[in-house]
Amino acid sequence: ETGVTQSPTHLIKTRGQQVTLRCSSQSGHNTVSWYQQALGQGPQFIFQYYREEENGRGNFPPRFSGLQFPNYSSELNVNALELDDSALYLCASSRLVRDTTYEQYFGPGTRLTVT
Amino acid sequence: DAKTTQPNSMESNEEEPVHLPCNHSTISGTDYIHWYRQLPSQGPEYVIHGLTSNVNNRMASLAIAEDRKSSTLILHRATLRDAAVYYCILRVRRTGKLIFGQGTTLQVKP
Repeated sequence: ETGVTQSPTHLIKTRGQQVTLRCSSQSGHNTVSWYQQALGQGPQFIFQYYREEENGRGNFPPRFSGLQFPNYSSELNVNALELDDSALYLCASSRLVRDTTYEQYFGPGTRLTVT
Repeated sequence: DAKTTQPNSMESNEEEPVHLPCNHSTISGTDYIHWYRQLPSQGPEYVIHGLTSNVNNRMASLAIAEDRKSSTLILHRATLRDAAVYYCILRVRRTGKLIFGQGTTLQVKP
């Protein structure tokens, strides 16, 4: 158990819809990162939030957006869903202290299916 | 982003040591070498990391080549619970961005 929780566990959406995924960070962690993992592939970095601001982004279009709240919980929003967005979405929390980001603790993921 | 190369799969017998290799010839001076593993139906789990010196923790050991162009994750006594995909990742110190490759799928036979 990492102390990182995600909801919902599974979700089915239709192409064109919008979805919001939620993540609660481990206590004491001030950064959160989101990853997309397609079946049989390694996770791909979507973006990272530190103190409620995005401070790094991977190669994902703007329809992928996020929020980090004062209590360091986070949301991932995806608009205009496409079939290829079907994947496991992972959130990971960590500490950023001065110039060092420490190891990341991952949640169990949300399995999104787009039909 | 610097890349890593790992074998697609490896097999081990239970109770025997396992050496998982990783090549990272384009590593820069500020890249840390991280290892994560992912058990079936779970999120990745941190295993160990290092910069230049060899590292040990309760889960594993990390041996880093002197030129830092390769490293080896060592599981001293493999158990069935160690069957997972092992990812070797280079990470710049400040950013939390982890670039996962395909990883090595480790099978442990009883």
